[in-house]
Amino acid sequence: AQSVTQPDIHITVSEGASLELRCNYSYGATPYLFWYVQSPGQGLQLLLKYFSGDTLVQGIKGFEAEFKRSQSSFNLRKPSVHWSDAAEYFCAVGGSYIPTFGRGTSLIVHP
Amino acid sequence: DTGVSQDPRHKITKRGQNVTFRCDPISEHNRLYWYRQTLGQGPEFLTYFQNEAQLEKSRLLSDRFSAERPKGSFSTLEIQRTEQGDSAMYLCASSLPTGPNTGELFFGEGSRLTVL
Repeated sequence: AQSVTQPDIHITVSEGASLELRCNYSYGATPYLFWYVQSPGQGLQLLLKYFSGDTLVQGIKGFEAEFKRSQSSFNLRKPSVHWSDAAEYFCAVGGSYIPTFGRGTSLIVHP
Repeated sequence: DTGVSQDPRHKITKRGQNVTFRCDPISEHNRLYWYRQTLGQGPEFLTYFQNEAQLEKSRLLSDRFSAERPKGSFSTLEIQRTEQGDSAMYLCASSLPTGPNTGELFFGEGSRLTVL
């Protein structure tokens, strides 16, 4: 069965600092991998996705993620965090049918 | 607005009552999903439609839950005899089965249920 682990429940960074959110997955074949962001009271918005090809993928809002098959990881990064990035971030894995989501990492940004 | 819309956004009900949520997906999307999200957790899959056919249901979907998508367009999720444990955000999402956005879900803003 497919699964996602996001080991960090909360991450606190200062505005302007770099960010890395961790995601490990379990999937029997080449996975489709996603990162979504959720602001309070809102639905989820796709940040970026990996299907195949280049293992470093670029997304919206300056985010990027790197697929590492050997480590079963798909970590999300941003070189300089803005206060507006404070939100809940979810990693998801799946084929073309039903994505499975991790429990999320809450990002807190200090001024 | 051509995104996924859900109604109502908030519902407060007493234990034992029935509630129904509606989801209108993006018009050209033939896949529709229901997820449930509780505080501090990620979305948990409930059920999935392709057109009007309900193709998969989670074990989370007890007998009190029923979902329909009668004409392959909007969908409803009904919870009968609500329990306090049903309190959650119910998220609807839609997607296309093929093309560059395969597997990508487009979410609505959710329907928050509070059972007193």
